[in-house]
Amino acid sequence: EAGVAQSPRYKIIEKRQSVAFWCNPISGHATLYWYQQILGQGPKLLIQFQNNGVVDDSQLPKDRFSAERLKGVDSTLKIQPAKLEDSAVYLCASSLSGGQPQHFGDGTRLSIL
Amino acid sequence: GQSLEQPSEVTAVEGAIVQINCTYQTSGFYGLSWYQQHDGGAPTFLSYNALDGLEETGRFSSFLSRSDSYGYLLLQELQMKDSASYFCAVRDDLDSSYKLIFGSGTRLLVRP
Repeated sequence: EAGVAQSPRYKIIEKRQSVAFWCNPISGHATLYWYQQILGQGPKLLIQFQNNGVVDDSQLPKDRFSAERLKGVDSTLKIQPAKLEDSAVYLCASSLSGGQPQHFGDGTRLSIL
Repeated sequence: GQSLEQPSEVTAVEGAIVQINCTYQTSGFYGLSWYQQHDGGAPTFLSYNALDGLEETGRFSSFLSRSDSYGYLLLQELQMKDSASYFCAVRDDLDSSYKLIFGSGTRLLVRP
């Protein structure tokens, strides 16, 4: 089966600019996750979707981050405006349901200048 | 609060056995997972323990003691390709989201 697809692979922007990431989960996976992984740390959950509804977004900085999963398949994560501290790898993962093993994409490495 | 503790680095020799420990403190515990991540790559699922005891999958085994809030990942017959970061992650069921809370990871270096 095809894995979780993410794009772009790398992104460099200046602070205060906007950026968007795209994720296509494994076909049939109802649950989709966005994580932020800062260098040397474990992934931190930003938002979790079940189909097109938000299950958990308690750690999403809602003043600058937004995410959507229209039609319950693809998802986009947006940062507007970006801060230096947002430099990280943004990982998308999906699973059949909330309690199943998660399959991760290769991530988008974001650098803020 | 929620916290997971695991060693930051472990070094071992090819062919040897290594154990990576993980202690956790969470509000709602459902199970403990382990993920492997090579540099620049995606985390990949290794194992999951919901009940006390040992789960074996090939060269990898994972153990859980719920009463001690402790688990470990055991890697046998180490190979050079096992050099990677290993993350323990607690499945939190406090709000029925079953979200994963990851530790900071253990970097394993396998030497010839």
